Amino acid sequence: KAGVTQTPRYLIKTRGQQVTLSCSPISGHRSVSWYQQTPGQGLQFLFEYFSETQRNKGNFPGRFSGRQFSNSRSEMNVSTLELGDSALYLCASSLSGQGGLNTEAFFGQGTRLTVV
Amino acid sequence: AQTVTQSQPEMSVQEAETVTLSCTYDTSESNYYLFWYKQPPSRQMILVIRQEAYKQQNATENRFSVNFQKAAKSFSLKISDSQLGDTAMYFCAFMKLDTGNQFYFGTGTSLTVIP
Repeated sequence: KAGVTQTPRYLIKTRGQQVTLSCSPISGHRSVSWYQQTPGQGLQFLFEYFSETQRNKGNFPGRFSGRQFSNSRSEMNVSTLELGDSALYLCASSLSGQGGLNTEAFFGQGTRLTVV
Repeated sequence: AQTVTQSQPEMSVQEAETVTLSCTYDTSESNYYLFWYKQPPSRQMILVIRQEAYKQQNATENRFSVNFQKAAKSFSLKISDSQLGDTAMYFCAFMKLDTGNQFYFGTGTSLTVIP
């Protein structure tokens, strides 16, 4: 079956712009989580969506937002981009909404965002 | 708060040899999951092995095994018969039970397998 698909793979934006990243989970998976990966901060949790509802949120400013559609596809949006937002953004999909049950998360290959 | 610490930023091992990657974590939770993920240059995170905290038996997946010491909050990964394809970043991760799919990751260990 198809894996987790993230689009686009690469993106270059200018400071102050906004950006939308997309994640299509594995068919049947209802949980989608987003992570930011940078050399300095490592992998940091942004938020998780399950059945179109945000269930968990990390410590990121309000410029970072997301949503999930009825087909479980998720988007994350970053407004007023800053240089420090340059990172690899990874999404992960899981079958269930309960941590512990069916906890294998399948990751996409990420979107490399560069802010100039 | 949960924290995961990987104290070895870089390691190397000769092909066919054995290597152990260290991970410690801090939590007040009694039920949780621990994971090792591998991130090769392709950037895609791949699950290597998973351990349920309530299970005393250490998890094993082919050449990969863990040494889980719950009281010491230690979760090391042993790779036997190292192969060139094992070259990657390895991340230790923690997940609380029944609170959603949120991972807490360590900073990673870059492993190089030398031919």
